[in-house]
Parts: sequence; structure tokens; C-alpha cells
Amino acid sequence: DAKTTQPTSMDCAEGRAANLPCNHSTISGNEYVYWYRQIHSQGPQYIIHGLKNNETNEMASLIITEDRKSSTLILPHATLRDTAVYYCIVRDNTDKLIFGTGTRLQVFP
Amino acid sequence: GAVVSQHPSRVICKSGTSVKIECRSLDFQATTMFWYRQFPKQSLMLMATSNEGSKATYEQGVEKDKFLINHASLTLSTLTVTSAHPEDSSFYICSARPRPRPYEQYFGPGTRLTVT
Repeated sequence: DAKTTQPTSMDCAEGRAANLPCNHSTISGNEYVYWYRQIHSQGPQYIIHGLKNNETNEMASLIITEDRKSSTLILPHATLRDTAVYYCIVRDNTDKLIFGTGTRLQVFP
Repeated sequence: GAVVSQHPSRVICKSGTSVKIECRSLDFQATTMFWYRQFPKQSLMLMATSNEGSKATYEQGVEKDKFLINHASLTLSTLTVTSAHPEDSSFYICSARPRPRPYEQYFGPGTRLTVT
């Protein structure tokens, strides 16, 4: 079973920051938080992952709360091409990636 | 880097025939590969995990005799849907984990299977 809870859908205006929340209250000490996204009819694309520190790369930033029970993926300047389903997944290094239902992000002009 | 390819991208076959889908890691070696299935408007469902040179481990409810997985090399895994039926029509996606970096996992573009 997926170990995360995400809102079903969100909207964001083009050029604005998109903040996608994820709850993972049962996360254990050795589990990482991963974010993937899936654009319609394509395979999932890796975005970012983290353990307890905040992380940033060229695509996004990941903010993890101090108690690690929740996190937020931030797309700093959303574009129309960021419209996709975003999946938040927790796993340890040897575990499988189990997908939940994700958040459908719609970026509008 | 870290590209995973699948072939074919879409296939239509008749009921009762078998279909093979190939998954390749193009620029890295993958000790572990995964096969997922996705029905319309649903999330990805993990079907099986395969390690190079050993038998695949199937998730509960997935018929191993119907979905044959072969992981013969560090860059190639195949999924064969045997005696396909219309209910097997789905989007099949493979994924590969790089050999020295188990915390990473990359996905192929998917194969759309339609059984008529």
C-alpha cells in the first residue's frame, strides 16, 4: 500500500510557484521521500528525492518537515509543460516504488 | 544519461496470441528491473521485480505463467504476455535501477498494448 496522502488535484497559474503537499506520517528513519511526475501517456519522470534535509535541483525544491511526517514539492515557476500527475513516494534504498494516486496538477495560462 | 527504452511503443494483437515487450537501459547497467501496468485513469501498479540472472518476483495477484519475465543481461529485460485477452489491454511500463546507485530508478516511455 502507498504510504503517502496527496490532494487529488491542484491548479496553478503559469509563472507562479506550484506547491504540492504530501503527508507521510508513518515514514520510518531509513525511508526516503521521492517525487516523480507522469505526463499523459508517458513513463514517470524522476524529479527529486530526499531523506531529511531540504533538496534543490534544476527542476524543483523539496522541503521536508523536521519531524519528516510531511513534505512539499515546489516548482518555482510553473509552465504549461508542468501539467502532469505528481507522485510522492516513500521507500528505503532497497524497497520497491509503490505509486499512490498522486496529485493532478493543472497549470493554466 | 539514465535512459530507459521500450520496444514496441504500441502493439495491437489478436486474442490468444503472445506479445513480447523489450526494456533496455541504454547508458547504464541495471541489476534490478521492474514492470508496471497502468489502466486508463489509474495509477501504476507494480507487476514484478526482476534481478539479472534470476527468476522474477511477482506481486500478489499477478500470474507468473501469463506474464513471463526474462532478465538475461544487465541492460535487457523482456515481458511476454502469453495468450493475451482483451482485459490484458493496458499501458506497460518498465523501470530500471542503476547498478551502483540503488536509490535511483528510471522509467521507460511505456508500451500501449491493445488486444482485439
